[in-house]
Amino acid sequence: AQSVTQPDIHITVSEGASLELRCNYSYGATPYLFWYVQSPGQGLQLLLKYFSGDTLVQGIKGFEAEFKRSQSSFNLRKPSVHWSDAAEYFCAVGARGSTLGRLYFGRGTQLTVWP
Amino acid sequence: DAGVTQSPTHLIKTRGQQVTLRCSPKSGHDTVSWYQQALGQGPQFIFQYYEEEERQRGNFPDRFSGHQFPNYSSELNVNALLLGDSALYLCASSLAGPNTEAFFGQGTRLTVV
Repeated sequence: AQSVTQPDIHITVSEGASLELRCNYSYGATPYLFWYVQSPGQGLQLLLKYFSGDTLVQGIKGFEAEFKRSQSSFNLRKPSVHWSDAAEYFCAVGARGSTLGRLYFGRGTQLTVWP
Repeated sequence: DAGVTQSPTHLIKTRGQQVTLRCSPKSGHDTVSWYQQALGQGPQFIFQYYEEEERQRGNFPDRFSGHQFPNYSSELNVNALLLGDSALYLCASSLAGPNTEAFFGQGTRLTVV
């Protein structure tokens, strides 16, 4: 069965510190991989995506993620966190195919940033 | 370029009532998916529409139904509302084909009392 695990429900970091949010997935084959961010009461904004090729992908707002097939992981990183990064972050996977179908989401990681 | 728009933004309904939520996809997109996000949880897939047909469905009862119109906009209908249907309902649009991504609307917050 397909599933996405975000082991950290809540992470707190100081502004300027580095950040890594973990994501592990269980899927029959290498899926499409995504990270989304959600501010309170808002929808989801796509940070970055992995389809194929270079396993280190760059996204918006200075975020990057690395796909590690051997570990079934797609961890999100940022070298220096800004207070405006405080939000909830979701990892999602989708099946490779002729079109993008359903996405499976993790339960999210809430990020708090101390000034 | 307008992104994905959903209406209404908030809604309060009574148990047993019916509700209709609306979604206009991002310009150029032809596929619409609906998700339910309960408080403190990740979004759960309800169903996906393409070419006015339901193409995929998640593990939701038949009380949840939908429709896609020729202009690609979509509706989500929920009948016989339960308290547990209270959630943020998200619409996502995408363009059919490989290597595409889903863009999400701001959601409709449904409260069932």
